[in-house]
Amino acid sequence: DIQMTQSPSTLSASVGDRVSITCRASQSISTWLAWYQQKPGKAPKILIYKASSLESGVPSRFSGSGSGTEFTLTISGLQPDDFATYYCQQYDDYPYTFGQGTKLEIK
Amino acid sequence: QVQLLQSGAEVKSPGASVKVSCKASGYTFTVHYIHWVRQAPGQGPEWMGWINPNTGGTNYAQKFEDRVTMTRDSSITTAYMELSRLRSDDTALYYCARDQDAYDPYFDYWGQGSLVTVSS
Repeated sequence: DIQMTQSPSTLSASVGDRVSITCRASQSISTWLAWYQQKPGKAPKILIYKASSLESGVPSRFSGSGSGTEFTLTISGLQPDDFATYYCQQYDDYPYTFGQGTKLEIK
Repeated sequence: QVQLLQSGAEVKSPGASVKVSCKASGYTFTVHYIHWVRQAPGQGPEWMGWINPNTGGTNYAQKFEDRVTMTRDSSITTAYMELSRLRSDDTALYYCARDQDAYDPYFDYWGQGSLVTVSS
């Protein structure tokens, strides 16, 4: 199975900050990577697919980059609604696998 | 609008089976695969497998292969996931999710989740 490792596990930031979350795959997954946002008691919500494509309706302050084994989710200008947990997921090979999550907290 | 509406919470005893439903609406049911993903308390999501609503074909994660069955009833645009021989570590929120398409199968819509609690 492809292991997905996110860092950091927890990130403290303030409204207006620019933050980045890293996701590393245990083997190359090309650009078959998605990023999801999850709030307590809710299902994950797609933000970015194919490593860098912004899902329709998602604010442009979210961006993704990377290929192969290293990927980054960047949020430019944090808004109060952005404080949540973020997961990366590879869909290059079965079984699809997720990272363990990064919790973005208010500083 | 696309909606995936799941069945309600279940409490089961160890060794029992559970069947969760996922009613799809707002799109052509047979076009998009339905995936099942579970999330244990405080953990990241875990992919369980998919069903092709058009053919009924399935692909299960090896971890669940001997205990999971995914089916569908296209006449009522509903997918099902049955997990047997339940254990306490199967306690989780179970989600159905639709993939965007066969060429870029990320999950674009999710159900609201169905809580399954396994307890004696």
